[in-house]
Amino acid sequence: AQKVTQAQTEISVVEKEDVTLDCVYETRDTTYYLFWYKQPPSGELVFLIRRNSFDEQNEISGRYSWNFQKSTSSFNFTITASQVVDSAVYFCALTDYKLSFGAGTTVTVRA
Amino acid sequence: NAGVTQTPKFQVLKTGQSMTLQCAQDMNHNSMYWYRQDPGMGLRLIYYSASEGTTDKGEVPNGYNVSRLNKREFSLRLESAAPSQTSVYFCASSEALGGGANTGELFFGEGSRLTVL
Repeated sequence: AQKVTQAQTEISVVEKEDVTLDCVYETRDTTYYLFWYKQPPSGELVFLIRRNSFDEQNEISGRYSWNFQKSTSSFNFTITASQVVDSAVYFCALTDYKLSFGAGTTVTVRA
Repeated sequence: NAGVTQTPKFQVLKTGQSMTLQCAQDMNHNSMYWYRQDPGMGLRLIYYSASEGTTDKGEVPNGYNVSRLNKREFSLRLESAAPSQTSVYFCASSEALGGGANTGELFFGEGSRLTVL
């Protein structure tokens, strides 16, 4: 069985602070994919990134960066210089044949 | 592009009533899914359909039935609604479903908020 744990329930920061979201996963598969999704207050789910289990390179996209470490089964997500528009629930997810989600981390960015 | 369309967006039911949530995708995807979202629990898979003509149970299938009507449409039915089924339901689709090889991003609908009194 696969499992995704997001230990942080809520994070509150002041605008321009960096925020890191933790994600730890469990799977018996050697081939799998990890995802991050964002759910803003409007409720839709927005795809942010997909990484496969063979590619441990970190990735940066604008103010977003991801740190994938297979040795610790972690796929952490950092928002640099946070903005109010980053306020949302962020989900980490893992897939073999289906997508399993973590419980989500609510990020509140205060002006 | 409509993507994934769910109807209705909001519904209030009384305990014991039945209803069907409709989902349609226009991306020619093979696989479709129904999730429910509850506070503090993330999204949990109810049922999925790997391809037209097949359906399988997910984590929380009890109290639900599904129909993959054709490649585009995947409906979720509550035969006798219970207050525990109060939730936000998301339909999603992806190009393919594969054991250990699912590269497909899931595309989600906007969600359907269901309240059972």
